Amino acid sequence: ETGVTQTPRHLVMGMTNKKSLKCEQHLGHNAMYWYKQSAKKPLELMFVYNFKEQTENNSVPSRFSPECPNSSHLFLHLHTLQPEDSALYLCASSQGGQGVDTQYFGPGTRLTVL
Amino acid sequence: GQNIDQPTEMTATEGAIVQINCTYQTSGFNGLFWYQQHAGEAPTFLSYNVLDGLEEKGRFSSFLSRSKGYSYLLLKELQMKDSASYLCAVMDSNYQLIWGAGTKLIIKP
Repeated sequence: ETGVTQTPRHLVMGMTNKKSLKCEQHLGHNAMYWYKQSAKKPLELMFVYNFKEQTENNSVPSRFSPECPNSSHLFLHLHTLQPEDSALYLCASSQGGQGVDTQYFGPGTRLTVL
Repeated sequence: GQNIDQPTEMTATEGAIVQINCTYQTSGFNGLFWYQQHAGEAPTFLSYNVLDGLEEKGRFSSFLSRSKGYSYLLLKELQMKDSASYLCAVMDSNYQLIWGAGTKLIIKP
């Protein structure tokens, strides 16, 4: 595997379900990101981990819970979601640290909340 | 507030040239990125500009004018595989990426 991988690619869940999204990067990076992408809207940054420390939480509802056990893996735990949470969830990674950094993305998980 | 503007959709013909514009107003500037995203796929990095001028990379070029808060992505010799969304993003003074909504480019034979 190379680059950034995400599983599952598609997920349909009810509002009372609990599920998790997984992201893995094989680039030797130290920063990982979760984004939400909705149709015709800019990417919304949700969470950032830099050297396994969470450095950003952009007012994301508590029904989204991130976990970063090591610099290669990132999870997004989902609980009691709403239909408006249906979107493409993208994971990205970068070198990390301070300064300008290019982010590399995974293919995303298409989430549908019924 | 911070804002990135780019056209929602553009149409061009195979073999032609197309220019996708991006204007921005951000708190500080640490460079501008262009990404390409095919439907259902990951955004992929195309270019990074931090100094004024034109950067050429094969059929794709990216231009930046910091004084005007303006950039464009120029695609030459268009191919059907160039049909995709093109995302403009600016890195602000906090090294956070501010994203535009993307431009969907449709290539017709």
